[in-house]
Amino acid sequence: SQQGEEDPQALSIQEGENATMNCSYKTSINNLQWYRQNSGRGLVHLILIRSNEREKHSGRLRVTLDTSKKSSSLLITASRAADTASYFCATDRADSWGKLQFGAGTQVVVTP
Amino acid sequence: EPEVTQTPSHQVTQMGQEVILRCVPISNHLYFYWYRQILGQKVEFLVSFYNNEISEKSEIFDDQFSVERPDGSNFTLKIRSTKLEDSAMYFCASSEVRAAEAFFGQGTRLTVV
Repeated sequence: SQQGEEDPQALSIQEGENATMNCSYKTSINNLQWYRQNSGRGLVHLILIRSNEREKHSGRLRVTLDTSKKSSSLLITASRAADTASYFCATDRADSWGKLQFGAGTQVVVTP
Repeated sequence: EPEVTQTPSHQVTQMGQEVILRCVPISNHLYFYWYRQILGQKVEFLVSFYNNEISEKSEIFDDQFSVERPDGSNFTLKIRSTKLEDSAMYFCASSEVRAAEAFFGQGTRLTVV
């Protein structure tokens, strides 16, 4: 089954605006992690939210998790051109410790 | 800040040849992983490794693939006889414990010709 599908597939915003992307999944999870990838390069870990947590913040990032809806959202506030990247959610399923299942990602373009 | 390092950054190999991709995980991490990303596709799990043995592997990780931790710092992925469809970016990752943040290296882009 597919796990960790992001929405939207692409997002284009101006600097200073907020960017919100969503992730849905199908099975129970231990945690959900968000990553950033610039132009097919390495995956940069952004934030991890555990199944018993509802919201987490890290700098300009805010992540929410709704286990009843099996969904998560990533909000980037006051976006910058340097935030231009693809963003992926990855779920650590409850029946498979440590193995991450990635979605297809949201491509975010922030224009100055 | 500690990071996962991978070498080489890019490797071109002929079909049928063996390749070894190398990784140095973060030093105090105990769990190691390989993932791959075919161009334009999702990142896919290949294998996880803990306590010198494979914890879990995907159906992609067939007999052509093997992993090894030859010493206290390196973690390698070997593809015995490469196929064209093995062309992808291969990522190594490590985590301190299970179900913790997984930190990824910059990847090795493997091109099979």
